[in-house]
Parts: sequence; structure tokens; C-alpha cells
Amino acid sequence: DGGITQSPKYLFRKEGQNVTLSCEQNLNHDAMYWYRQDPGQGLRLIYYSQIVNDFQKGDIAEGYSVSREKKESFPLTVTSAQKNPTAFYLCASSIGGSKLNTEAFFGQGTRLTVV
Amino acid sequence: AQKVTQAQTEISVVEKEDVTLDCVYETRDTTYYLFWYKQPPSGELVFLIRRNSFDEQNEISGRYSWNFQKSTSSFNFTITASQVVDSAVYFCALSEAVRDDKIIFGKGTRLHILP
Repeated sequence: DGGITQSPKYLFRKEGQNVTLSCEQNLNHDAMYWYRQDPGQGLRLIYYSQIVNDFQKGDIAEGYSVSREKKESFPLTVTSAQKNPTAFYLCASSIGGSKLNTEAFFGQGTRLTVV
Repeated sequence: AQKVTQAQTEISVVEKEDVTLDCVYETRDTTYYLFWYKQPPSGELVFLIRRNSFDEQNEISGRYSWNFQKSTSSFNFTITASQVVDSAVYFCALSEAVRDDKIIFGKGTRLHILP
């Protein structure tokens, strides 16, 4: 089935550790996104990538890093510099290309808890 | 800068009532896309509709309808004869298509349909 896969669904980490969230898509989409969701805050954009080997900061990029070495993969690393990492993280993709902007398709999300 | 405002944080209605969710947006561009998504308790965002800035025709899909008005920068969503299964968080989103693939979301409206 085509879609976006995020793993794991639940993730627990100790404070001070870096952690990487996985996001894979087999939709052949150029654009991929990472959002963070906190209660009452909606979805806030962390990073997005419009093409392989390129990515841009979103509104809350501090304390996060990404890579886009392959078209189908866009992993997000939550570093120890992120002060409040506990949140629900959503990955998405869209056709992109700034030519035919379409809707984004979302994964099921990863709930990260840092203790 | 692009911005999406959903002023209604939470709404509760009794089943079978009609309900309208408001969305107001800001953008510098003349070409842009607007979206509505539904987030059920499972957490995954479900795409509902896309509208481009050149198409002001209102759309109806079953019990759902959307009213796009450029003059007031609004893209409101109405559910007719609401059902308990409509209970979810609903997000409005904006993309400035020509500029890049960035998609910005509002904070969402939590809708409770009471039996």
C-alpha cells in the first residue's frame, strides 16, 4: 500500500539523549514535512524539504535536525538542545515542486516522551 | 507572512445540529492553496478538501460544505446534520504555492458532537 510510515508509534527517552524519528514514504513525493503538535498549539512546522539533499527551517527548528539523503526518507533528530521535546510528531509529504501544490498526506505520528 | 487563524478553540453541539468552523488566513500572494483536515482521536490527519485561490466556487460533499470568500480572507467549513463520528479536531491550512511548498496550519478547532 502507498503511504507514509512513521516509526515507532511511541518512543521514550531519557533527558539529554538524542533521538531519531523515522519517516518513510512510497508515494514518490518530492516534498516532505515534520510538524510538532502540542495541546492547544495546533501543528507547528519544524522542517520541510522540497527535494533530495535540500531542506528549510520551519517556525520551530531550534533543537532539531533533519536529513534528506533519499527521496523516500526524511528522518528527524530531536537533540538534547530541544528544551521541551515531549510532544506528538507528525510527518507528511506532498507532490511539491511548487508547480502543482497539492495536499499533504500524513503518517500516523510518533508520540515522544522524554523523562 | 502567511498565517491561519481558527478563533474557535472548542465547539460542542448536539447531534443533528449544523455547525460551522471558521478559518481566516493571511497571505501576500495572489496564488495560494487552502486545505481542511480532520484529526480523529487516533491522531492521523485526514485530508478533506483543497481549494486554490482562483476558484471561489463553494463546494459541497455530502454533509460537508465549504465557503471560500477572498474578500474576507475566509474559508469556512460547515457540517450539516452533525453526527457523533464527526467529533474530532479540524485544522485549516495554507500554502503559498508559487513561493515554496511550505504548509502552515491553524491551531485547530476541537468539535464535540453530543448524542
